[in-house]
Amino acid sequence: EVQLVESGGGLVQPGRSLRLSCAASGFTFDDYAMHWVRQAPGKGLEWVSGISWNSRSIGYADSVKGRFTISRDNAKNSLYLQMNSLRAEDTALYYCAKDIGYDMSGGYFDLWGRGSLVTVSS
Amino acid sequence: QSALTQPASVSGSPGQSITISCTGTSSDVGGYNYVSWYQQHPGKAPKLMINDVSNRPSGVSNRFSGSKSGNTASLTISGLQAEDEADYYCSSYTGITTPYVFGTGTKVTVL
Repeated sequence: EVQLVESGGGLVQPGRSLRLSCAASGFTFDDYAMHWVRQAPGKGLEWVSGISWNSRSIGYADSVKGRFTISRDNAKNSLYLQMNSLRAEDTALYYCAKDIGYDMSGGYFDLWGRGSLVTVSS
Repeated sequence: QSALTQPASVSGSPGQSITISCTGTSSDVGGYNYVSWYQQHPGKAPKLMINDVSNRPSGVSNRFSGSKSGNTASLTISGLQAEDEADYYCSSYTGITTPYVFGTGTKVTVL
C-alpha cells in the first residue's frame, strides 16, 4: 500500500527538542523530494521544510530556520525532522508529504500522511 | 513568503456552482503554472484536487476545475454536493529556496 506514516510527536516543554519520523512505503522513496507541512489547531497549512531526493537541496520556512533540521535515509525509506528550541507557536499537526518531483520543484504534493501532533507547553 | 489570500468562507446550495479565489504575486501564482488545490475534511489529511493550475488527478470528480489569470488562481466546484463541504487550500510553487506557499484556506459550506 502506498502510504506515509508519521511518528514521534508528543507533549514537550518550551526550549526542548523532538524528532519526528515519517515511514514511506509502496513507492520508490529515493525518486522523490519530501516535505514537512504543519497545521496549528484550527489554522491553515504551512510549509515547513523540504529535501530533495539526494539530500543536496534543502529548504526551510523562515519561522523554523536555524531551529529545525530535515533529513532522510533512503536505505530506510524514512524522512525526519529534528526540532530544537521548540516554542509554543510550533504546536501543530505535522504532516509528511511527497513531492511529485525529485528536487522540490515538482509543483505539488500527491501523497500525505495522517500527521503527528506536537504540543509545546509547560 | 506570505500566505496566498483566499476568502475565509464560501457557501452555496446543492447543485449550484461556487468559485474560490487564490491571490498571490508575480513571485508565486503569477510566476509559475504550479498552482494546486487541496480539500481537507475535518480530522483528515489534505487531498489533492487540482494540480498544475487546471489538471484534475485521476479519481477526482470532474465537477472540480481550476484556472488562473495573472496573480489569481481559482477553483470552481460545479453541481455542489453535501460531500464537498470542507476546507480548501491553494498552494503555489515559489522557487527553489522556499519552494511552496499555501493559501489562507476557505471553508466551503453547502446550505
